[in-house]
Amino acid sequence: KAGVTQTPRYLIKTRGQQVTLSCSPISGHRSVSWYQQTPGQGLQFLFEYFSETQRNKGNFPGRFSGRQFSNSRSEMNVSTLELGDSALYLCASGLQGTNEKLFFGSGTQLSVL
Amino acid sequence: QQQVKQSPQSLIVQKGGISIINCAYENTAFDYFPWYQQFPGKGPALLIAIRPDVSEKKEGRFTISFNKSAKQFSLHIMDSQPGDSATYFCAASTGSARQLTFGSGTQLTVLP
Repeated sequence: KAGVTQTPRYLIKTRGQQVTLSCSPISGHRSVSWYQQTPGQGLQFLFEYFSETQRNKGNFPGRFSGRQFSNSRSEMNVSTLELGDSALYLCASGLQGTNEKLFFGSGTQLSVL
Repeated sequence: QQQVKQSPQSLIVQKGGISIINCAYENTAFDYFPWYQQFPGKGPALLIAIRPDVSEKKEGRFTISFNKSAKQFSLHIMDSQPGDSATYFCAASTGSARQLTFGSGTQLTVLP
């Protein structure tokens, strides 16, 4: 069974641009969560989707948004990029829509110049 | 109240030794406590998890000890191996929140 797939693996953007990251969950998983990982702040929850509905959102500005499609694939978008948005963005999928047994992808490393 | 405090920040252990990483929490609503292992260039991978109705859970060389009254839990890695060298994160969540609150991580180095 294929794992969680995140694309692209690396991304370089400049301040003010926007970016879209993609996540394909494990087949059959309907829950997708997004986390931001930085050396300073560690792993922080962004949002969680289940069956195309956002059920929970972390403490991030409105520039961070996401969505989930009917095939459970998910995208997250960051608009008006700031230097501080440089981070590893991780997607995790789960079977039942709870926090148990979350499977993480390898992430998208975003660098904002 | 949502914080999970993890220590130590880094840990160096000899091969065959015991690695111990500790976490403490404040939110008594937390009801699920997983540990994740992360290698460079990879996402975190679930190692072992526990619920507060048990005080210990063992899977192979990995054991979680849980102290509900002290609001603390720890990961013990027995017979540590160089391949265990990675960053370890504790986490906690409530079922209703559907989000993991992570500790700050412990970089473990196991010397051969």
